[in-house]
Amino acid sequence: AQTVTQSQPEMSVQEAETVTLSCTYDTSENNYYLFWYKQPPSRQMILVIRQEAYKQQNATENRFSVNFQKAAKSFSLKISDSQLGDTAMYFCAFMKDSSYKLIFGSGTRLLVRP
Amino acid sequence: DTAVSQTPKYLVTQMGNDKSIKCEQNLGHDTMYWYKQDSKKFLKIMFSYNNKELIINETVPNRFSPKSPDKAHLNLHINSLELGDSAVYFCASSQYGHGNTIYFGEGSWLTVV
Repeated sequence: AQTVTQSQPEMSVQEAETVTLSCTYDTSENNYYLFWYKQPPSRQMILVIRQEAYKQQNATENRFSVNFQKAAKSFSLKISDSQLGDTAMYFCAFMKDSSYKLIFGSGTRLLVRP
Repeated sequence: DTAVSQTPKYLVTQMGNDKSIKCEQNLGHDTMYWYKQDSKKFLKIMFSYNNKELIINETVPNRFSPKSPDKAHLNLHINSLELGDSAVYFCASSQYGHGNTIYFGEGSWLTVV
């Protein structure tokens, strides 16, 4: 069974600085997809970034980028130039290629300090 | 213009009652989901429908019954509510196909007292 681990329950960062959130996963699959979702206090789950395992290039979306290390089964999220609106829970999620199920980690609560 | 909308957003009800949560998506997707987020923020899939056909049915009590009248709607009915059913229930949708991004609604916060 696949598992997703986020080892940092809480993190904080000063506004305008950079922070990295960790995620590791366990799978025997070769093809799969990885996601980061953001859940602000409003509770809505918002997609931040998506990575296809067969693509070696790390995905980026504006200030958000990932460091995808397939051999190490690691998928960290880097947030550059942190903004107050980045304060949220961040969830790492895994989906194997033959499935439609997202398997979530336990989340990391990020606080951006002014 | 909300893409995945759920009603109600908040629901407080007594143990033993029956309640429904409705979900609609206007993204043109053909696959819809129900996820449950417990008090520790842990998210887990419950059901998924593709074109009104059930494709994922996790180990969920029989008191939970999803219904999809068409591919744009997926409702969740819960019978005989228990205290442990208190959670946030998220509806979501995607286009059918492995690895496609799943888009979530705002969640329905159910409190059973």
